Amino acid sequence: GAVVSQHPSWVICKSGTSVKIECRSLDFQATTMFWYRQFPKQSLMLMATSNEGSKATYEQGVEKDKFLINHASLTLSTLTVTSAHPEDSSFYICSARPGATDSPLHFGNGTRLTVT
Amino acid sequence: GESVGLHLPTLSVQEGDNSIINCAYSNSASDYFIWYKQESGKGPQFIIDIRSNMDKRQGQRVTVLLNKTVKHLSLQIAATQPGDSAVYFCAEHLGGYQKVTFGTGTKLQVIP
Repeated sequence: GAVVSQHPSWVICKSGTSVKIECRSLDFQATTMFWYRQFPKQSLMLMATSNEGSKATYEQGVEKDKFLINHASLTLSTLTVTSAHPEDSSFYICSARPGATDSPLHFGNGTRLTVT
Repeated sequence: GESVGLHLPTLSVQEGDNSIINCAYSNSASDYFIWYKQESGKGPQFIIDIRSNMDKRQGQRVTVLLNKTVKHLSLQIAATQPGDSAVYFCAEHLGGYQKVTFGTGTKLQVIP
């Protein structure tokens, strides 16, 4: 149980275009989801906390107008990278927890974004 | 703030040996800690967790030790197998908050 599904698993887009990444909790409801970014050989950096029915909470240094987050239902959060540039190329991973706050996060399998 | 490594330290162990992966966490107010395993091109996978009121917890072939005095976590893997090769991250959770902060990570290479 507790599966988090992410789509697409990889995407290549041209500079200046926008890309949407979906994160779904398949067998549980998630009022909160988390979006992380990971550069090669580095750790996961939290970008934002997605809250169902309200605005996302962004970490310091993350541009909210560039990384649009929508959490319209209890099982779906989307991250849209707007006007993507090559420096946005990265591995984006979402997560959610089916239990209490002191329980493990479950992660999707990530989306590899390459901006050309 | 976030703990982001500029490179991943690597631990090489012989198949069958025990592995010990160490992690220093950043916030003395963190009350819950998790070890994750990440294989190439995949999301992190939960291994084991421990709460701050404990100093040791055992799972199947894995043990986590917590030393709050020096803000140190370790993950011990017994009889390391080739399938254990991956990057291992410790993560800390600050009490009262939902988010989880990841440590630098260690790449484990198992030599057959």
